[in-house]
Amino acid sequence: QVQLVESGGGVVQPGRSLTLSCAASGVMFSSYGMHWVRQAPGKGLEWVVVISKDGSNKYYADSVEGRFTISRDNPKNTLNLQMSSLRPEDTAVYYCAKDYGDHTGMLDYWGQGTLVTVSS
Amino acid sequence: EIVLTQSPATLSVSPGERATLSCRASQSVSNYLAWYQQKPGQAPRLLIYDASNRATGIPARFSGSVSGTDFTLSISSLEPEDFAVYYCQQRINWPLTFGGGTRVEIK
Repeated sequence: QVQLVESGGGVVQPGRSLTLSCAASGVMFSSYGMHWVRQAPGKGLEWVVVISKDGSNKYYADSVEGRFTISRDNPKNTLNLQMSSLRPEDTAVYYCAKDYGDHTGMLDYWGQGTLVTVSS
Repeated sequence: EIVLTQSPATLSVSPGERATLSCRASQSVSNYLAWYQQKPGQAPRLLIYDASNRATGIPARFSGSVSGTDFTLSISSLEPEDFAVYYCQQRINWPLTFGGGTRVEIK
């Protein structure tokens, strides 16, 4: 079955950088777009970014544009999110999610998430 | 960006009763609306896609419908495991957006 496992979360100071990863298994990773979605503590879901199956198309939320960079390594079945200039409002659980197709916007499988805390 | 407004924020229902959740879009999203269920400490799970299609493995008691920009998620007879938070999400435009969620709690 499809498994998505995020890693790389932790506590980081404002203005610093952090990279998250998502390891996929049980799926032909290179055939699907992938997303990051975040959830601040006690809040709702916020979509962050999508990358197409071949990495050629990327769309970002305005709140992270220019600070976050998504990438993927298809041979290694891995999705990454480089986060820089982190702010306290970036504190959230970050989920990676598989797209139903290339970048249809339908999220059919989700990982369990990794917590990022931005605090001095 | 498209704003999705969910109502009510909290719905108190007894097990075995019907629950009806609403999601209104600020502009047309055609049928490109999904519903997700999230239980405490868990990731969201896709329930309904494109307004009325059940995702793989989702019980028939969950159904979705649409009228214009108003979407409805119905749970015909609530089971104990259905008490959770439900989110709607549109995929017609980037950025993808989610509604604020409806918490279904035990009455």
